[in-house]
Amino acid sequence: SQQGEEDPQALSIQEGENATMNCSYKTSINNLQWYRQNSGRGLVHLILIRSNEREKHSGRLRVTLDTSKKSSSLLITASRAADTASYFCATFNQAGTALIFGKGTTLSVSS
Amino acid sequence: GAVVSQHPSWVICKSGTSVKIECRSLDFQATTMFWYRQFPKQSLMLMATSNEGSKATYEQGVEKDKFLINHASLTLSTLTVTSAHPEDSSFYICSARDDRTGGLTEAFFGQGTRLTVV
Repeated sequence: SQQGEEDPQALSIQEGENATMNCSYKTSINNLQWYRQNSGRGLVHLILIRSNEREKHSGRLRVTLDTSKKSSSLLITASRAADTASYFCATFNQAGTALIFGKGTTLSVSS
Repeated sequence: GAVVSQHPSWVICKSGTSVKIECRSLDFQATTMFWYRQFPKQSLMLMATSNEGSKATYEQGVEKDKFLINHASLTLSTLTVTSAHPEDSSFYICSARDDRTGGLTEAFFGQGTRLTVV
């Protein structure tokens, strides 16, 4: 089962530009996580934001969380060609065991 | 960081045969591991939760007799696709969380297995 929606589904930008991806979820959460997946590969954890946090930074990544709107955004600043990948948000299922993923945003950064 | 090794990375098999995929946590113990399936250009769909020493928990719509899961130790879970058919062709990914961190923390993923059934 999918947790929610992400938009845009696909995003194409030039190197140096910022990329913003949004994620909405349906149930109450303890935390929300963002993952990155290079084509045909496994997922890599990027950042975790707790439900009592509104914003979190990690390097060029900035994540916001609005629990009242059940939404989160991931901002990648000064993008690079190497940022080309799919990005997924994820929250825990109701049992609190497994991560459920959004539909993802495919980011293409051209040099 | 923690490493999850998944093997094989790709496999081609004939219809009707079975394929086993292994998922190992290399430097941590994982009482629980997770198996996902991903179709091209789509998200990950949770198939089942693998529990060490007990039966796996399958998501609705996933055939437990077709996708056999065995979690024999705290570092190894296997997924066997039995009597494979072309529609089983997909990308299978496992994940695990470190038992020491407990709770609702990040997960570590294997590199995935591309299964093609011909």
